[in-house]
Amino acid sequence: GQQVMQIPQYQHVQEGEDFTTYCNSSTTLSNIQWYKQRPGGHPVFLIQLVKSGEVKKQKRLTFQFGEAKKNSSLHITATQTTDVGTYFCAGQDAGGTSYGKLTFGQGTILTVHP
Amino acid sequence: DSGVTQTPKHLITATGQRVTLRCSPRSGDLSVYWYQQSLDQGLQFLIQYYNGEERAKGNILERFSAQQFPDLHSELNLSSLELGDSALYFCASSVPASGEADTQYFGPGTRLTVL
Repeated sequence: GQQVMQIPQYQHVQEGEDFTTYCNSSTTLSNIQWYKQRPGGHPVFLIQLVKSGEVKKQKRLTFQFGEAKKNSSLHITATQTTDVGTYFCAGQDAGGTSYGKLTFGQGTILTVHP
Repeated sequence: DSGVTQTPKHLITATGQRVTLRCSPRSGDLSVYWYQQSLDQGLQFLIQYYNGEERAKGNILERFSAQQFPDLHSELNLSSLELGDSALYFCASSVPASGEADTQYFGPGTRLTVL
């Protein structure tokens, strides 16, 4: 079945440093979504990418979808303590009917030291 | 507040017991998804229902079952509980109408502890 791998599993940064997490799918995706889970909270939708090579920005966050639609990345510029949490990518398989089902990566746990 | 509600918030029970977790989706959402999140684990997809029908199944154990009722709320039943079933169980809801992925809105989760 479809697998979504996410690296790194953990990332510790000093406040002000940049952060990147990478996501790779074993199959071609129709779209990829990113979610953030704060400590003790539930996953919250950040963004969805649909087009090959698509790049979207949300303030200090930059999301990219690979040309082959099998990988994606999330880059945070100048991290702040409010960025702490676990970042998940989630992809929908391009083949067959998945009725909206997403396969989540393992997540990257980001810690920001002030 | 995502609009998805889950009850109970916490559940402590013993091995061998059976529990039921309840989820009410956002108003208008037809799909309900159940996920299990253990310590240091990602979100493991269990099962999806769409408008009362099972649509997709993940790594759901045979001891677990779910259903979605006519009012669209869903219940996840966990039986013959084992220590390893201790986890956070999330419910999420989304429309989607035509097989396209849509934003999934997650509930606050139910923390299950099996002693």
